Amino acid sequence: GENVEQHPSTLSVQEGDSAVIKCTYSDSASNYFPWYKQELGKRPQLIIDIRSNVGEKKDQRIAVTLNKTAKHFSLHITETQPEDSAVYFCAARSSGGGADGLTFGKGTHLIIQP
Amino acid sequence: GAVVSQHPSRVICKSGTSVKIECRSLDFQATTMFWYRQFPKQSLMLMATSNEGSKATYEQGVEKDKFLINHASLTLSTLTVTSAHPEDSSFYICSASLAARNTGELFFGEGSRLTVL
Repeated sequence: GENVEQHPSTLSVQEGDSAVIKCTYSDSASNYFPWYKQELGKRPQLIIDIRSNVGEKKDQRIAVTLNKTAKHFSLHITETQPEDSAVYFCAARSSGGGADGLTFGKGTHLIIQP
Repeated sequence: GAVVSQHPSRVICKSGTSVKIECRSLDFQATTMFWYRQFPKQSLMLMATSNEGSKATYEQGVEKDKFLINHASLTLSTLTVTSAHPEDSSFYICSASLAARNTGELFFGEGSRLTVL
């Protein structure tokens, strides 16, 4: 099955600086890569996703890049703000559509220092 | 977006009792729902895939007789933790995808925090 590795486990950055979280996956057939933000005790919220036919996607301060050859994808958050503090999970799925569940990374606790 | 609702949000039970958690898709039909478990400060681990009208598919290491899943309609899936023990205490989250849109995006319920005494 799919295996997703995520680094770092904890990331502390100064407010206004950029944050980068990296993930690798094992299944070359994976074609959908979402990123979720989870605040303590709450449900994960999708913040951005990318499919294997795209190399980069951006939404305001958030961007995701995908390198299919190397089987890794990254989340970039620019101009970080205190409300960005949360746990971020990357995930991957190896089949199309919604028939299969996602495999999640272990999560990154992002701390924005004021 | 699509809305997935989960109930109860918190439940405390005695060891040996059974607990049922409901997951509903409020504004869309979900042929497939997924149940995840999340221990404190850990990731979401897929437990099983719930398919409407058929048996659930369980991940390796998940006891199907302990975690009973029923997906009786296109908007409701239930997870029953049978004979619960303290080690079953966890955050259980369901999710569903919009079959009609087939984008692969998962929508999560609010989660249910189970504490077994």
